[in-house]
Amino acid sequence: DTEVTQTPKHLVMGMTNKKSLKCEQHMGHRAMYWYKQKAKKPPELMFVYSYEKLSINESVPSRFSPECPNSSLLNLHLHALQPEDSALYLCASSQVLRSPSEGNTIYFGEGSWLTVV
Amino acid sequence: AQTVTQSQPEMSVQEAETVTLSCTYDTSESNYYLFWYKQPPSRQMILVIRQEAYKQQNATENRFSVNFQKAAKSFSLKISDSQLGDTAMYFCAFMKHLYSIQGAQKLVFGQGTRLTINP
Repeated sequence: DTEVTQTPKHLVMGMTNKKSLKCEQHMGHRAMYWYKQKAKKPPELMFVYSYEKLSINESVPSRFSPECPNSSLLNLHLHALQPEDSALYLCASSQVLRSPSEGNTIYFGEGSWLTVV
Repeated sequence: AQTVTQSQPEMSVQEAETVTLSCTYDTSESNYYLFWYKQPPSRQMILVIRQEAYKQQNATENRFSVNFQKAAKSFSLKISDSQLGDTAMYFCAFMKHLYSIQGAQKLVFGQGTRLTINP
């Protein structure tokens, strides 16, 4: 089973709303990621969690707040977003590398389409 | 810094033809991994093929194969007997190890090539 499940698939929110995107995987992966993808652009990394701890924050505004409650779940809490935050948000997961010489595959979910109005 | 360049923004071929997508990258590392991901209109990123840099043999997955030229830092994708379902955006990606953080890694993507298979 190589599946990463994201909910909701579509979300429309106002600039004063608070909402959350959810991601779940049951592949035993201990690294999980949030990527943001604008139309006709490649995905851009936002956050990396390794062993349920935030490892990387790619200078993401604080209106995006990630959370990793356990090894299978990853949330992205949204608050006071701007219209320019409208994008496809992709969750991904992978095994954790034991050494830099290793490599493994990162598996992506179907994404959550976010529209901020 | 690692960079990935896809020089073909769009390509279009007829069904059953063979098509090759180009990708070049820049890195100073000796051990690394390269990937081709496919993103159809449904927008899910699907792994097509992966290549370990230390392996000289080119990776193949059914109708998909790569031509990996390590010295030239080139990593092209060949799709044989193309099918309508191959219509998608294709991203070449380099896996970057983040040495300061155990276990963490990052995909560096090219800008993508939009491939259309015509009936």
